[in-house]
Amino acid sequence: AQSVTQPDIHITVSEGASLELRCNYSYGATPYLFWYVQSPGQGLQLLLKYFSGDTLVQGIKGFEAEFKRSQSSFNLRKPSVHWSDAAEYFCAVGSQGNLIFGKGTKLSVKP
Amino acid sequence: GAGVSQSPRYKVAKRGQDVALRCDPISGHVSLFWYQQALGQGPEFLTYFQNEAQLDKSGLPSDRFFAERPEGSVSTLKIQRTQQEDSAVYLCASSSLRGQAETQYFGPGTRLLVL
Repeated sequence: AQSVTQPDIHITVSEGASLELRCNYSYGATPYLFWYVQSPGQGLQLLLKYFSGDTLVQGIKGFEAEFKRSQSSFNLRKPSVHWSDAAEYFCAVGSQGNLIFGKGTKLSVKP
Repeated sequence: GAGVSQSPRYKVAKRGQDVALRCDPISGHVSLFWYQQALGQGPEFLTYFQNEAQLDKSGLPSDRFFAERPEGSVSTLKIQRTQQEDSAVYLCASSSLRGQAETQYFGPGTRLLVL
């Protein structure tokens, strides 16, 4: 069965530090992979998506993610975190048009 | 342009009451999805519409859950005889097509609390 695992429930980083959020997926075919961000009281906003081509994907707000088929991973990165990046981040895989989400990683940013 | 809107934003219901949650998708979007997000969890798929046709309702947890989109635009998710386990955020999303790589645009959600 298709599934998405985000091993880190909560991560705290200092402002200006680099960030990597982990995502592993289980999917039988070529995966379509997404990262969404959810701020309190707001809906999910798409950061980036991968479905073919270059395995390094650039997104909005300075985020990028790298698809590694051999590791079944799609980790999200940002070189320098801003306080406004504090939110919950969800990795998802597209399955027959629907999205299967991980449980999310909450990011806290300390000054 | 306007994004996906949902109403009400918050709903408190007594156990056993019926509730109706509304979703206004982005104008012109063919596809509409409902997801349920329990506390501390990721969203889980409930049902999908293509225009007015409900093509997938495999995620609806029980026959107390019912969704409709009669004119292919606004959708309503109805929960009958609410139970405490129905407490969650209900998210609506729309997209221009239903496809593996299509971006789904999400509304802010309706937070339902069943007492």
